[in-house]
Amino acid sequence: DAKTTQPPSMDCAEGRAANLPCNHSTISGNEYVYWYRQIHSQGPQYIIHGLKNNETNEMASLIITEDRKSSTLILPHATLRDTAVYYCIVRLPLGETSGSRLTFGEGTQLTVNP
Amino acid sequence: NAGVTQTPKFQVLKTGQSMTLQCAQDMNHEYMSWYRQDPGMGLRLIHYSVGAGITDQGEVPNGYNVSRSTTEDFPLRLLSAAPSQTSVYFCASRPGTQKSEAFFGQGTRLTVV
Repeated sequence: DAKTTQPPSMDCAEGRAANLPCNHSTISGNEYVYWYRQIHSQGPQYIIHGLKNNETNEMASLIITEDRKSSTLILPHATLRDTAVYYCIVRLPLGETSGSRLTFGEGTQLTVNP
Repeated sequence: NAGVTQTPKFQVLKTGQSMTLQCAQDMNHEYMSWYRQDPGMGLRLIHYSVGAGITDQGEVPNGYNVSRSTTEDFPLRLLSAAPSQTSVYFCASRPGTQKSEAFFGQGTRLTVV
């Protein structure tokens, strides 16, 4: 699986957009980009994923660059409850042995301030 | 629909003791996995299973055994606990589809003294 690089921490004001970057320069053509978050003392929670196109759901938007070497997770209106560690993960598709795994790095600690 | 259930939530063991961390899911997911989380190290994969009767090692398998006799259950066994196994353990499951998300349990906080 491709390695990802994220800043260790970020701050955001409540109500503003939080933009969390992720570099995955060694991503291969069939690897998906996944984002999870972990609120303190809880299990990780799925946010969104994508392959090439930008994606949006009720939680967030995912912007993937055209060369797929980096992506940005956008929380459009951050709230205090969005304070968490955010993990960017790239994963092979089903059929590859390692595709069953999620390789977590250290993630980005996002702190939303009032 | 309970999702992924881990028991116990907290456990203290003495060095050398054995125990089993339980994980059960009621979503009929094919894939299940165990992670441990230590400060500053993110989540590290211990063992995983792609279906009943099939298991494989992850990044940090030493000191742990698993089995998958049913689709629903994926227990993690510590045969002889060591202080280095003090950690928070998470179980996860996901369907056997290409773009599926993983569902995590709430974790088991284990302390080995």
